[in-house]
Amino acid sequence: EAQVTQNPRYLITVTGKKLTVTCSQNMNHEYMSWYRQDPGLGLRQIYYSMNVEVTDKGDVPEGYKVSRKEKRNFPLILESPSPNQTSLYFCASSLEWQGSSPLHFGNGTRLTVT
Amino acid sequence: GNSVTQMEGPVTLSEEAFLTINCTYTATGYPSLFWYVQYPGEGLQLLLKATKADDKGSNKGFEATYRKETTSFHLEKGSVQVSDSAVYFCALNYYSGYSTLTFGKGTMLLVSP
Repeated sequence: EAQVTQNPRYLITVTGKKLTVTCSQNMNHEYMSWYRQDPGLGLRQIYYSMNVEVTDKGDVPEGYKVSRKEKRNFPLILESPSPNQTSLYFCASSLEWQGSSPLHFGNGTRLTVT
Repeated sequence: GNSVTQMEGPVTLSEEAFLTINCTYTATGYPSLFWYVQYPGEGLQLLLKATKADDKGSNKGFEATYRKETTSFHLEKGSVQVSDSAVYFCALNYYSGYSTLTFGKGTMLLVSP
C-alpha cells in the first residue's frame, strides 16, 4: 500500500532533550516536506526537500533540522526542543513539484514539550 | 506573496443540507488549486484539484470550479452526510523553479443526523 509513515504518533518530552521524528514514503516520490499544525494558524511548512541531498527552509524553520540522505526518508530533528514546539507535525510527499502534483500526508505526530 | 483565505468555521449543518465552503486566493501567475480533507486523528487527504481556469474538480460528491475572474475555488456538495464531518483545507501551488505551496487555515464542518 502506498503510504507515508511517521513515527512516533505521540511523543512527550522535556525541554532540551534531542529528538527525531522519522518519516518514510514507499512511492519513490522526489518531493518531501514537513508541516506543523496549530489551532488558528493552519498548516505551516517547516522544511522541504526537492530531492536527495537537496533541502530548503519553509516558513517556520527555526529550531528544526532535516536531512535527506535517501529518497524514501526525511527525518525531522529537534536538537533542543522547547515548549513552543508543542504541536501536531505532518510529513508529506509528492511525485514531483511542478504545480499540479498532490501531496500525500502521514497520519501525524503529536509532540508535547514540557 | 501568495495567500489563501477560507471562511471561518465551524460550519454546522444537518444531514442532506447543501454545503458551500468559500475559498479565495491571491497568487502570481496561474496556480494549481486543491481541496484537502482531514478526518479526526488523520493526516490530510487530497479531495479534489483543478489546474487551470474554468476546470472543475470533483470527488465523492464534492465539486469546486477554478474561477480566475473572481480568484475563487469554492467547495460545494449537494447533500452532506454525517461522515463528511472533517476539516477542509483550500490550497494553492505555484511552481516557478521552487515550491510555493500555500494552505488556508482550514474550515471545520460538523454534520448532525
